[in-house]
Amino acid sequence: AQKVTQAQTEISVVEKEDVTLDCVYETRDTTYYLFWYKQPPSGELVFLIRRNSFDEQNEISGRYSWNFQKSTSSFNFTITASQVVDSAVYFCALRGYGSSNTGKLIFGQGTTLQVKP
Amino acid sequence: DAGITQSPRHKVTETGTPVTLRCHQTENHRYMYWYRQDPGHGLRLIHYSYGVKDTDKGEVSDGYSVSRSKTEDFLLTLESATSSQTSVYFCAISEGGSGTDTQYFGPGTRLTVL
Repeated sequence: AQKVTQAQTEISVVEKEDVTLDCVYETRDTTYYLFWYKQPPSGELVFLIRRNSFDEQNEISGRYSWNFQKSTSSFNFTITASQVVDSAVYFCALRGYGSSNTGKLIFGQGTTLQVKP
Repeated sequence: DAGITQSPRHKVTETGTPVTLRCHQTENHRYMYWYRQDPGHGLRLIHYSYGVKDTDKGEVSDGYSVSRSKTEDFLLTLESATSSQTSVYFCAISEGGSGTDTQYFGPGTRLTVL
């Protein structure tokens, strides 16, 4: 079975603080993909990043960075110098790859991030 | 912008009535998905389609049916709506032809069943 756990339900920080959102996943697939999506208060889902299981390089995009560690089955997301506009719900998701795979995403429960001015 | 629209964006209906939600895409993507979002559950897959008239069930398909008679439209039908189907419904498409690529989501439909 595949599962994604985002243990942090809500996080509140003050602007300019760094914040890390945790994501732990379970899968038996040797090939799989991990994703992060952002859902701002307006409600749409915005794709942030996709990572495949063979690429463990960390990725940085501006103030965003992602740490993928297969040894701990984690794919954590860090926002450096947070801003009020970062306030949103963030979802981590997993998709396996194989003959039984439908392309469906398995989502975590989401982490609500509030950045206060 | 993946060119995905959903209609209606908001709907209030009564228990027992049929409801159809529409997802429309403009870029001929083969794979389309319907998810529902509920507090504490993230998003869960209801049904998906891998081509015209080719559909299959997801993990929470009970009480829902889908149809895809043309590439650009994927319809989700609640045959007899129940209060447990109050949710936000998202349609998604998958770029590429294999279903293994990134999924992009429509704006969502908020459905309330009284």
